Amino acid sequence: EVQLVESGGGLVQPGGSLRLSCAASGFTFSNYYMSWVRQAPGKGLEWVANINQRGSETYYLDSVKGRFTISRDNAKNSLYLQMNSLRAEDTAVYYCAETAGIVGWFDPWGQGTLVTVSS
Amino acid sequence: DIQMTQSPSSLSASVGDRVTITCRASQSISSYLNWYQQKPGKAPKLLIYVASSLQSGVPSRFRGSGSGTDFTLTISSLQPEDFATYYCQQSHSTPPTFGGGTKVEIK
Repeated sequence: EVQLVESGGGLVQPGGSLRLSCAASGFTFSNYYMSWVRQAPGKGLEWVANINQRGSETYYLDSVKGRFTISRDNAKNSLYLQMNSLRAEDTAVYYCAETAGIVGWFDPWGQGTLVTVSS
Repeated sequence: DIQMTQSPSSLSASVGDRVTITCRASQSISSYLNWYQQKPGKAPKLLIYVASSLQSGVPSRFRGSGSGTDFTLTISSLQPEDFATYYCQQSHSTPPTFGGGTKVEIK
Protein backbone atom coordinates (compact mmCIF):
# COMPACT_ATOMS: atom_id res chain seq x y z
CA GLU A 1 0.00 0.00 0.00
CA VAL A 2 1.30 3.41 -0.97
CA GLN A 3 1.71 5.60 2.09
CA LEU A 4 2.99 9.10 2.74
CA VAL A 5 3.38 10.27 6.33
CA GLU A 6 4.27 13.88 7.14
CA SER A 7 5.82 15.08 10.38
CA GLY A 8 7.54 18.11 11.82
CA GLY A 9 4.70 20.60 12.02
CA GLY A 10 4.03 22.73 15.06
CA LEU A 11 3.84 26.23 16.48
CA VAL A 12 6.63 28.61 15.53
CA GLN A 13 7.11 32.34 15.98
CA PRO A 14 7.23 34.71 13.00
CA GLY A 15 10.74 34.70 11.56
CA GLY A 16 11.38 31.21 12.84
CA SER A 17 12.24 27.98 11.06
CA LEU A 18 10.76 24.53 10.77
CA ARG A 19 11.66 21.39 8.83
CA LEU A 20 8.92 19.13 7.56
CA SER A 21 9.50 15.51 6.63
CA CYS A 22 7.50 13.07 4.55
CA ALA A 23 8.20 9.34 4.81
CA ALA A 24 7.20 7.32 1.76
CA SER A 25 6.50 3.62 1.52
CA GLY A 26 4.79 1.14 -0.77
CA PHE A 27 6.22 2.48 -4.03
CA THR A 28 9.57 3.20 -5.68
CA PHE A 29 10.06 6.68 -4.25
CA SER A 30 13.08 7.49 -6.41
CA ASN A 31 11.00 7.15 -9.61
CA TYR A 32 8.64 10.04 -8.90
CA TYR A 33 8.44 13.78 -8.73
CA MET A 34 7.24 14.89 -5.30
CA SER A 35 5.48 18.04 -4.16
CA TRP A 36 4.39 19.99 -1.12
CA VAL A 37 0.90 21.48 -1.22
CA ARG A 38 -0.58 23.57 1.59
CA GLN A 39 -4.02 24.58 2.79
CA ALA A 40 -4.56 27.52 5.10
CA PRO A 41 -7.32 27.04 7.69
CA GLY A 42 -10.71 27.12 5.97
CA LYS A 43 -9.11 27.95 2.60
CA GLY A 44 -8.29 26.21 -0.66
CA LEU A 45 -5.26 24.32 -1.88
CA GLU A 46 -1.98 25.96 -2.88
CA TRP A 47 1.01 24.24 -4.44
CA VAL A 48 4.25 25.18 -2.67
CA ALA A 49 7.17 23.34 -4.28
CA ASN A 50 8.20 20.28 -6.20
CA ILE A 51 11.34 18.30 -6.90
CA ASN A 52 12.39 15.88 -9.59
CA GLN A 53 13.36 12.27 -9.07
CA ARG A 54 17.06 12.87 -8.44
CA GLY A 55 16.63 16.10 -6.52
CA SER A 56 18.50 18.09 -9.17
CA GLU A 57 15.54 20.29 -10.20
CA THR A 58 13.29 22.21 -7.83
CA TYR A 59 10.45 24.66 -8.37
CA TYR A 60 8.77 27.01 -5.92
CA LEU A 61 5.74 29.21 -5.44
CA ASP A 62 6.93 32.80 -5.82
CA SER A 63 5.93 33.74 -2.28
CA VAL A 64 8.19 31.08 -0.73
CA LYS A 65 11.22 31.43 -3.02
CA GLY A 66 14.35 32.14 -1.03
CA ARG A 67 12.67 31.09 2.22
CA PHE A 68 11.70 27.44 1.64
CA THR A 69 13.89 24.61 0.35
CA ILE A 70 12.56 21.29 -0.88
CA SER A 71 14.89 18.29 -0.84
CA ARG A 72 14.78 14.53 -0.83
CA ASP A 73 16.82 11.53 0.30
CA ASN A 74 16.02 8.61 -1.96
CA ALA A 75 18.05 6.22 0.21
CA LYS A 76 15.71 7.03 3.08
CA ASN A 77 12.54 7.32 0.95
CA SER A 78 12.02 10.76 2.42
CA LEU A 79 10.99 14.22 1.26
CA TYR A 80 11.73 17.41 3.19
CA LEU A 81 10.69 21.03 3.31
CA GLN A 82 12.98 23.44 5.15
CA MET A 83 11.01 26.56 5.98
CA ASN A 84 12.84 29.69 7.11
CA SER A 85 11.73 33.26 7.82
CA LEU A 86 8.22 32.01 8.46
CA ARG A 87 5.31 34.43 8.25
CA ALA A 88 1.78 34.33 9.61
CA GLU A 89 0.50 33.70 6.08
CA ASP A 90 2.47 30.44 5.96
CA THR A 91 0.10 28.99 8.56
CA ALA A 92 -1.47 25.93 6.92
CA VAL A 93 -1.69 22.19 6.77
CA TYR A 94 1.19 21.02 4.60
CA TYR A 95 0.69 17.90 2.50
CA CYS A 96 3.28 15.94 0.59
CA ALA A 97 2.10 14.27 -2.59
CA GLU A 98 3.43 12.09 -5.35
CA THR A 99 3.35 14.12 -8.54
CA ALA A 100 2.85 12.97 -12.12
CA GLY A 101 5.73 14.85 -13.69
CA ILE A 102 7.02 18.38 -13.38
CA VAL A 103 3.48 19.76 -13.59
CA GLY A 104 1.05 16.94 -13.10
CA TRP A 105 -1.67 15.64 -10.90
CA PHE A 106 -1.12 14.86 -7.23
CA ASP A 107 -1.76 11.32 -6.08
CA PRO A 108 -1.57 10.03 -3.46
CA TRP A 109 -1.37 12.59 -0.64
CA GLY A 110 -0.17 12.28 2.91
CA GLN A 111 -2.44 13.08 5.85
CA GLY A 112 -0.84 16.51 6.34
CA THR A 113 0.98 18.29 9.13
CA LEU A 114 -0.15 21.61 10.63
CA VAL A 115 2.23 24.55 10.75
CA THR A 116 1.12 27.51 12.84
CA VAL A 117 3.11 30.73 12.70
CA SER A 118 2.15 32.96 15.58
CA SER A 119 3.66 34.91 18.44
CA ASP B 1 0.05 32.16 -13.59
CA ILE B 2 -3.09 30.42 -14.84
CA GLN B 3 -6.16 31.30 -12.78
CA MET B 4 -8.76 28.62 -12.17
CA THR B 5 -12.34 29.65 -11.38
CA GLN B 6 -14.88 27.17 -10.08
CA SER B 7 -18.63 27.59 -9.92
CA PRO B 8 -20.67 27.43 -7.92
CA SER B 9 -18.68 27.89 -4.71
CA SER B 10 -21.29 25.80 -2.92
CA LEU B 11 -24.44 23.89 -3.70
CA SER B 12 -27.11 21.94 -1.89
CA ALA B 13 -28.34 18.68 -3.35
CA SER B 14 -30.17 15.53 -2.38
CA VAL B 15 -29.10 11.92 -2.59
CA GLY B 16 -29.76 10.71 -6.11
CA ASP B 17 -29.42 14.15 -7.71
CA ARG B 18 -27.25 14.82 -10.72
CA VAL B 19 -24.64 17.41 -9.79
CA THR B 20 -22.50 19.49 -12.14
CA ILE B 21 -19.48 21.59 -11.14
CA THR B 22 -17.69 23.81 -13.61
CA CYS B 23 -14.09 24.99 -13.77
CA ARG B 24 -12.78 27.69 -16.08
CA ALA B 25 -9.13 28.41 -16.84
CA SER B 26 -7.83 31.91 -17.58
CA GLN B 27 -6.15 30.56 -20.72
CA SER B 28 -6.28 27.36 -22.72
CA ILE B 29 -4.90 24.37 -20.84
CA SER B 30 -5.78 21.72 -23.42
CA SER B 31 -6.90 18.72 -21.35
CA TYR B 32 -4.50 19.27 -18.45
CA LEU B 33 -7.20 19.46 -15.82
CA ASN B 34 -7.59 17.31 -12.70
CA TRP B 35 -10.34 16.97 -10.10
CA TYR B 36 -10.05 16.19 -6.38
CA GLN B 37 -12.48 15.42 -3.59
CA GLN B 38 -11.74 16.53 -0.04
CA LYS B 39 -13.70 15.62 3.07
CA PRO B 40 -13.35 17.59 6.32
CA GLY B 41 -10.08 16.91 8.11
CA LYS B 42 -8.83 14.64 5.34
CA ALA B 43 -6.35 14.94 2.51
CA PRO B 44 -7.61 15.54 -1.02
CA LYS B 45 -8.23 12.49 -3.17
CA LEU B 46 -7.68 12.39 -6.92
CA LEU B 47 -10.87 11.61 -8.85
CA ILE B 48 -10.20 12.54 -12.48
CA TYR B 49 -6.97 13.33 -14.34
CA VAL B 50 -6.35 14.87 -17.76
CA ALA B 51 -9.94 16.05 -17.91
CA SER B 52 -11.74 12.74 -18.29
CA SER B 53 -9.64 9.80 -17.06
CA LEU B 54 -11.14 8.14 -14.01
CA GLN B 55 -8.61 7.36 -11.29
CA SER B 56 -8.49 3.70 -10.28
CA GLY B 57 -11.02 2.86 -7.61
CA VAL B 58 -13.20 5.94 -8.20
CA PRO B 59 -16.87 5.12 -8.85
CA SER B 60 -18.10 5.49 -12.40
CA ARG B 61 -20.78 7.99 -11.34
CA PHE B 62 -17.99 10.60 -11.46
CA ARG B 63 -17.33 11.94 -14.95
CA GLY B 64 -15.05 14.68 -16.18
CA SER B 65 -15.30 16.49 -19.49
CA GLY B 66 -14.06 19.55 -21.32
CA SER B 67 -10.99 20.96 -22.99
CA GLY B 68 -9.41 24.33 -23.63
CA THR B 69 -10.73 26.64 -20.93
CA ASP B 70 -14.01 25.07 -19.82
CA PHE B 71 -14.36 21.86 -17.83
CA THR B 72 -17.08 20.00 -15.97
CA LEU B 73 -17.23 17.44 -13.20
CA THR B 74 -20.51 15.56 -13.13
CA ILE B 75 -21.77 13.24 -10.42
CA SER B 76 -24.56 11.27 -12.07
CA SER B 77 -26.37 10.17 -8.90
CA LEU B 78 -25.17 11.78 -5.68
CA GLN B 79 -24.45 9.35 -2.87
CA PRO B 80 -24.16 10.12 0.87
CA GLU B 81 -20.38 9.68 0.75
CA ASP B 82 -20.07 12.30 -2.01
CA PHE B 83 -20.83 15.26 0.24
CA ALA B 84 -17.46 16.99 0.24
CA THR B 85 -15.52 19.85 -1.32
CA TYR B 86 -14.30 19.45 -4.89
CA TYR B 87 -11.28 21.19 -6.42
CA CYS B 88 -10.02 21.46 -9.97
CA GLN B 89 -6.30 21.87 -10.72
CA GLN B 90 -4.49 22.72 -13.93
CA SER B 91 -1.37 20.79 -14.84
CA HIS B 92 -0.62 22.63 -18.08
CA SER B 93 2.12 24.89 -16.78
CA THR B 94 3.99 25.75 -13.63
CA PRO B 95 2.95 26.79 -11.09
CA PRO B 96 0.14 24.26 -10.88
CA THR B 97 -2.93 26.10 -9.64
CA PHE B 98 -6.22 25.08 -8.05
CA GLY B 99 -9.73 26.39 -8.26
CA GLY B 100 -11.30 27.83 -5.14
CA GLY B 101 -13.39 24.75 -4.45
CA THR B 102 -17.05 23.76 -4.59
CA LYS B 103 -18.67 22.56 -1.39
CA VAL B 104 -21.45 20.03 -1.99
CA GLU B 105 -23.85 20.00 0.94
CA ILE B 106 -26.90 17.98 1.84
CA LYS B 107 -30.22 19.62 1.02
